[in-house]
Amino acid sequence: AQSVAQPEDQVNVAEGNPLTVKCTYSVSGNPYLFWYVQYPNRGLQFLLKYITGDNLVKGSYGFEAEFNKSQTSFHLKKPSALVSDSALYFCAVRDAGGGGGYNKLIFGAGTRLAVHP
Amino acid sequence: DGGITQSPKYLFRKEGQNVTLSCEQNLNHDAMYWYRQDPGQGLRLIYYSQIVNDFQKGDIAEGYSVSREKKESFPLTVTSAQKNPTAFYLCASRKAGTDNSPLHFGNGTRLTVT
Repeated sequence: AQSVAQPEDQVNVAEGNPLTVKCTYSVSGNPYLFWYVQYPNRGLQFLLKYITGDNLVKGSYGFEAEFNKSQTSFHLKKPSALVSDSALYFCAVRDAGGGGGYNKLIFGAGTRLAVHP
Repeated sequence: DGGITQSPKYLFRKEGQNVTLSCEQNLNHDAMYWYRQDPGQGLRLIYYSQIVNDFQKGDIAEGYSVSREKKESFPLTVTSAQKNPTAFYLCASRKAGTDNSPLHFGNGTRLTVT
């Protein structure tokens, strides 16, 4: 069965410092991996995705994520955090395998990022 | 601009009443989804539709119903059978035919039932 874990409920970072939001996953086949961001009382916005190829994926707003197959991880990173990055971040995974059925997108529980001035 | 519109933004209902949440998209996407968001639980899939006039139950479909009569519209009805309906409801859509296209989300409807 597919699953995704975000082990930290909250991450606190000082503005200007690098940030990492962790995500690990479990799928039976190859994964499609996504990061989304949610601001208060809004929907989720797509940040980036990993499908295949280069393990370092670059996305919106200066965010990037590193796919690590051996550790089944897809951590979100940014070299220099901004106060405006403070939001709720969701990791999601879909099994890329076939089998003829519909493979759902599974979301983690979310990690709240707080960037302090 | 293309996007997904959910209305209303806030909805208040008395227990025992059915309520319908609207979701409209002009992205020409075939697939549409309804998620429920509760604090600390991430998003849970209620229903999804990959084509007009067809829809499937997600993980928590009990107490909910949907219709998909038009490509642009995917309304969700929260019935009186839903035991704990107070939540933030999110509608999403994406291009069908490929599993790696990202979801596009509306801004949600916050439903409060008392």
